[in-house]
Amino acid sequence: EDQVTQSPEALRLQEGESSSLNCSYTVSGLRGLFWYRQDPGKGPEFLFTLYSAGEEKEKERLKATLTKKESFLHITAPKPEDSATYLCAVQARGSNYKLTFGKGTLLTVNP
Amino acid sequence: SQTIHQWPATLVQPVGSPLSLECTVEGTSNPNLYWYRQAAGRGLQLLFYSVGIGQISSEVPQNLSASRPQDRQFILSSKKLLLSDSGFYLCAWGGSWNTEAFFGQGTRLTVV
Repeated sequence: EDQVTQSPEALRLQEGESSSLNCSYTVSGLRGLFWYRQDPGKGPEFLFTLYSAGEEKEKERLKATLTKKESFLHITAPKPEDSATYLCAVQARGSNYKLTFGKGTLLTVNP
Repeated sequence: SQTIHQWPATLVQPVGSPLSLECTVEGTSNPNLYWYRQAAGRGLQLLFYSVGIGQISSEVPQNLSASRPQDRQFILSSKKLLLSDSGFYLCAWGGSWNTEAFFGQGTRLTVV
């Protein structure tokens, strides 16, 4: 069974204080690993897809990296508007494109 | 560009009442469609997915059902709601040519 574990559950940063979120996964043949951002009361917003170990993707202050067992979402010099829950999901080959999600990391960036 | 619409945004229903949540996608054809539920403190749980009209796969045995009467329409239903059906319901679509899923804005269902 595919599993995704995200840590920490919650992270509080000061504006400008860089950090990383972790996503550990177990999947029988990875098709893709996905990062989403979710604001309170809203649907998840797609950020990145990573397909193979060593791959990196960047968007503004966010950079996602992938190894064979985990993914990191690096946040550089965060701003208060980066506060949200960040979700990680995996998709296995032969899964009809279904996503298995972790519980998320609640990020709070204080001004 | 593709867009996904989901309604209503919030819903309060009594126990034992029926449910119908609707989701439509614009700007694409033959999408894969999904219903997820998000409960407090838990990750998103896949409820149903559909790869075509009339083709529904259920992931979790429960009090809910899904239907896909048209290519870009996905409906989540229940004949009699339970208290445990409360949660945040999310519809999503994905293309058959890629892997990403894109979510609607969700429906907050409270069963009282």
